[in-house]
Amino acid sequence: DGGITQSPKYLFRKEGQNVTLSCEQNLNHDAMYWYRQDPGQGLRLIYYSQIVNDFQKGDIAEGYSVSREKKESFPLTVTSAQKNPTAFYLCASSRGTSGNEQFFGPGTRLTVL
Amino acid sequence: DAKTTQPPSMDCAEGRAANLPCNHSTISGNEYVYWYRQIHSQGPQYIIHGLKNNETNEMASLIITEDRKSSTLILPHATLRDTAVYYCIVKNYGGSQGNLIFGKGTKLSVKP
Repeated sequence: DGGITQSPKYLFRKEGQNVTLSCEQNLNHDAMYWYRQDPGQGLRLIYYSQIVNDFQKGDIAEGYSVSREKKESFPLTVTSAQKNPTAFYLCASSRGTSGNEQFFGPGTRLTVL
Repeated sequence: DAKTTQPPSMDCAEGRAANLPCNHSTISGNEYVYWYRQIHSQGPQYIIHGLKNNETNEMASLIITEDRKSSTLILPHATLRDTAVYYCIVKNYGGSQGNLIFGKGTKLSVKP
């Protein structure tokens, strides 16, 4: 079955540690996105990538980094520079960036202790 | 991208139609209206989108007013599993960034 997966579903880390969230898709989509969601709020864009080896900052990129070495994978690293990293992180993909529906993964809930 | 306004919450009886309104008075000519929903602690799910004609698929119908300043998502026979937050989003079809701008949406509660 085609889809987008994120792992793990729940993640706990100590303050000051970097952590990498996984996102994989087998939909052959060119574009991939990372969003952050805080309780009771909508989604905010962290980074997006339109094609392999290229990515752009979104609205709240500070304290995060990404890579896009393969079409299928778009991992997100939450660095120690992110002031408030505890949140629900959602990865999405689409065929392109123009007018195509986005498919979302199940999300990773990160808690920094 | 234009902003949207949605009521924060709505109730609907199981089996009845759920009509979710959305105002997008500043929408421009090349912006589409998209609807997504998010069931608690899951990723958002695409429902439907349209430009100016009414649209229908297996999940819902989308009614867009003639002036395109508002729209209504209709779930014809709501079930308990339709309880979710529903997001109305307008997006420039030709935009290079491609991301969706999510507001707070409407929390729909379907009650037995």
